[in-house]
Amino acid sequence: DTGVSQNPRHKITKRGQNVTFRCDPISEHNRLYWYRQTLGQGPEFLTYFQNEAQLEKSRLLSDRFSAERPKGSFSTLEIQRTEQGDSAMYLCASSSLQGSSPLHFGNGTRLTVT
Amino acid sequence: QKEVEQDPGPLSVPEGAIVSLNCTYSNSAFQYFMWYRQYSRKGPELLMYTYSSGNKEDGRFTAQVDKSSKYISLFIRDSQPSDSATYLCASRRGQNFVFGPGTRLSVLP
Repeated sequence: DTGVSQNPRHKITKRGQNVTFRCDPISEHNRLYWYRQTLGQGPEFLTYFQNEAQLEKSRLLSDRFSAERPKGSFSTLEIQRTEQGDSAMYLCASSSLQGSSPLHFGNGTRLTVT
Repeated sequence: QKEVEQDPGPLSVPEGAIVSLNCTYSNSAFQYFMWYRQYSRKGPELLMYTYSSGNKEDGRFTAQVDKSSKYISLFIRDSQPSDSATYLCASRRGQNFVFGPGTRLSVLP
């Protein structure tokens, strides 16, 4: 069990560019979540997958954001036409299908939009 | 009103002190409760996970849940400088996990 892995750890981009982040969950976990966290705040839910199906999306997830989990393993989160307000830590978490399973987080991708 | 509220701190205590961190939630549908510890520039790390009202102990950490008053607490005994971090409480309803803003704790040597 190597834990949840996220890449890159830090991304600096110019406003208007597209960025993509990757998350590799714990291998036996079927559920995968994306959260966004800004300074001084707790993680805010963006979306979650069960296997390859995206089952829920937050209203925070504007049409510039898209997430995929094509084979039910790793996931990508893409932000198109980035804005300065997108600067945040993007956290990925996974859990098993067991009803009471908690979330296990990766160390996040810190996005800075200049 | 946010669904999960915490005093953001910062809270500073001397090494060896007992720390009490508190959290309230507003939705009676929340069934599971968690405490996470987050060091600077790292992801949250699960500390405690509980379902029922009452106490759950793990080493120096005790989680306490009072569902009747919608109140969650985390106690840290014999606090150490390595406990300096932000502590996030979270509640779960189905597959929806909702986090508080976190309390920043500093344990001074």
